[in-house]
Amino acid sequence: SAVISQKPSRDICQRGTSLTIQCQVDSQVTMMFWYRQQPGQSLTLIATANQGSEATYESGFVIDKFPISRPNLTFSTLTVSNMSPEDSSIYLCSVVAPWSGTSYEQYFGPGTRLTVT
Amino acid sequence: SQQGEEDPQALSIQEGENATMNCSYKTSINNLQWYRQNSGRGLVHLILIRSNEREKHSGRLRVTLDTSKKSSSLLITASRAADTASYFCATDAKAGGTSYGKLTFGQGTILTVHP
Repeated sequence: SAVISQKPSRDICQRGTSLTIQCQVDSQVTMMFWYRQQPGQSLTLIATANQGSEATYESGFVIDKFPISRPNLTFSTLTVSNMSPEDSSIYLCSVVAPWSGTSYEQYFGPGTRLTVT
Repeated sequence: SQQGEEDPQALSIQEGENATMNCSYKTSINNLQWYRQNSGRGLVHLILIRSNEREKHSGRLRVTLDTSKKSSSLLITASRAADTASYFCATDAKAGGTSYGKLTFGQGTILTVHP
């Protein structure tokens, strides 16, 4: 499986500030995604961050609030902007394993636990 | 109801017993994946079953898929205390015959295995 790391692993931030989360993969991958998991909830897809194209956002998520960069095939960042307590969540990146062919097997990073006070 | 609903929401069993979790979904899928999450940490990929497969095994895990009923089940045999975690199913929907890798997650089953 792909080895995926995220930085930071957790952070406590003040409302109104921004936090940039990094996702690093140990192999080149085309398809990368960002998810949010609110407390006690399941995961919700924020956006698709494929290399070579602009990130595409799911309904309810906008670029101004969650800008994403994907400079190469092993790295991406998600910024949570102008944070409020409602942004307190675990943020996870995931990748589709390139060796899984049309199975689209997907692996997740360890997550970033964000608390906004 | 949402794509990828699961039941039960919580399951409590004794070590050595089997645990069965179910997942239902609404749309045509490319595949269905099961994940484990320990105490709000990252997701661990357990198993993927393609839409043209009916059953798959991996160690103590057995997954079935019934596309006519749009449902899947995850069976953990001879459970251990270390299996205590939340389990999620996630579907990769097909749109016009194309899969985009976007996963829709169920609400999850919280499994507690008592020693």
